[in-house]
Amino acid sequence: QSVLTQPPSASGTPGQRVTISCSGSSSNIGSNTVNWYQQLPGTAPKLLIYSNNQRPSGVPDRFSGSKSGTSASLAISGLQSEDEADYYCAAWDDSLNVVVFGGGTKLTVL
Amino acid sequence: QITLKESGPTLVKPTQTLTLTCTFSGFSLSTSGVGVGWIRQPPGKALEWLALIYWNDDKRYSPSLKSRLTITKDTSKNQVVLTMTNMDPVDTATYYCAHSSNWEVDYWGQGTLVTVSS
Repeated sequence: QSVLTQPPSASGTPGQRVTISCSGSSSNIGSNTVNWYQQLPGTAPKLLIYSNNQRPSGVPDRFSGSKSGTSASLAISGLQSEDEADYYCAAWDDSLNVVVFGGGTKLTVL
Repeated sequence: QITLKESGPTLVKPTQTLTLTCTFSGFSLSTSGVGVGWIRQPPGKALEWLALIYWNDDKRYSPSLKSRLTITKDTSKNQVVLTMTNMDPVDTATYYCAHSSNWEVDYWGQGTLVTVSS
């Protein structure tokens, strides 16, 4: 069971806006920044969002992140078929002194 | 350009010790704030963070696996080695090494699938 909680699945049609939530606690999301990773089928994860809402170079601005209290969200606007992937949130946990991941959300583009 | 690549056995027997090597380029593990970590992913399951070693040789381990893990670095060879003792079939997974800026994992290796079976 993962320390950070994500919905196991999400879906949307092309062009829609989808959000994925990530719930934690005061020792992780509540006191540290959140990263999001995209894992396309059969590939290694890729950094999508860092420091809650920053996009690495090359990541389309259709992807955005936010954080409030002990929860974070990833939003994908203008959904495309190529966005079909697993998405993971991560944060440092001050109590465990480790990086904690969410259980992942499988995004399906209908 | 930062790249990382994992190497090691693809098959280990139960109770054996697994040794994985991460060979990287494009950064130095003697630079302040830089770390290299290991993350694994069982087939069809979520990511699990295992260990991290920092530029100053500070080390962090997953509490649930701490007794079985050892992470070391060889800065001159641009390598980080992870050993995991007493392997079990539940340890079957793809093992990734990754570059970290402080704790933030930003660049990932391609991963290596390790199967534990007799």
